[in-house]
Amino acid sequence: GAVVSQHPSWVICKSGTSVKIECRSLDFQATTMFWYRQFPKQSLMLMATSNEGSKATYEQGVEKDKFLINHASLTLSTLTVTSAHPEDSSFYICSARDFGTENYGYTFGSGTRLTVV
Amino acid sequence: TQLLEQSPQFLSIQEGENLTVYCNSSSVFSSLQWYRQEPGEGPVLLVTVVTGGEVKKLKRLTFQFGDARKDSSLHITAAQPGDTGLYLCAGGGGGTYKYIFGTGTRLKVLA
Repeated sequence: GAVVSQHPSWVICKSGTSVKIECRSLDFQATTMFWYRQFPKQSLMLMATSNEGSKATYEQGVEKDKFLINHASLTLSTLTVTSAHPEDSSFYICSARDFGTENYGYTFGSGTRLTVV
Repeated sequence: TQLLEQSPQFLSIQEGENLTVYCNSSSVFSSLQWYRQEPGEGPVLLVTVVTGGEVKKLKRLTFQFGDARKDSSLHITAAQPGDTGLYLCAGGGGGTYKYIFGTGTRLKVLA
């Protein structure tokens, strides 16, 4: 089945630094990927839609200058949290869909736990 | 703004009991999915329903999509400790392929 690999699994960074999270579709091409944020014991909040070869589409209230998304190839999307602050600490998850199958479901990465100190 | 409300938010039951989780919205969705998520991991797809009134079964799990495609339910028969987790419904589909997640139901099944 479709596999989405997300790295790193966890990262601790200092306030003011930037962190890059990678999301790769391993055995299928993903023209569209999605980035979510999840706070402890809460549901997933869609942050943005990452489109291969074009600008990402951000959800209302999400700062695009703070959460930079790049989807340079059909198998890789990256999310960079710029000038991170403690309030950016969260669980970030990406997802993609293999349109080569009839399964409507999305495959999720294993998530990245970001802690900003 | 599309919202998906799940109920109950939390559920703690004994092994062997049955339970139903509800997912409701005022919006119509092209399709609705159910996921289960374990701590520290990404959600795993359980089922996708696309037709109003559709019922799908996955072993002890029964999923139903409302006739108007605004709501869905997940019924678990004879729950087991392995069913413990966060259950999420997600509605969406259509041209954007974007899915919005429900508020989540945290289930704990006690042995």
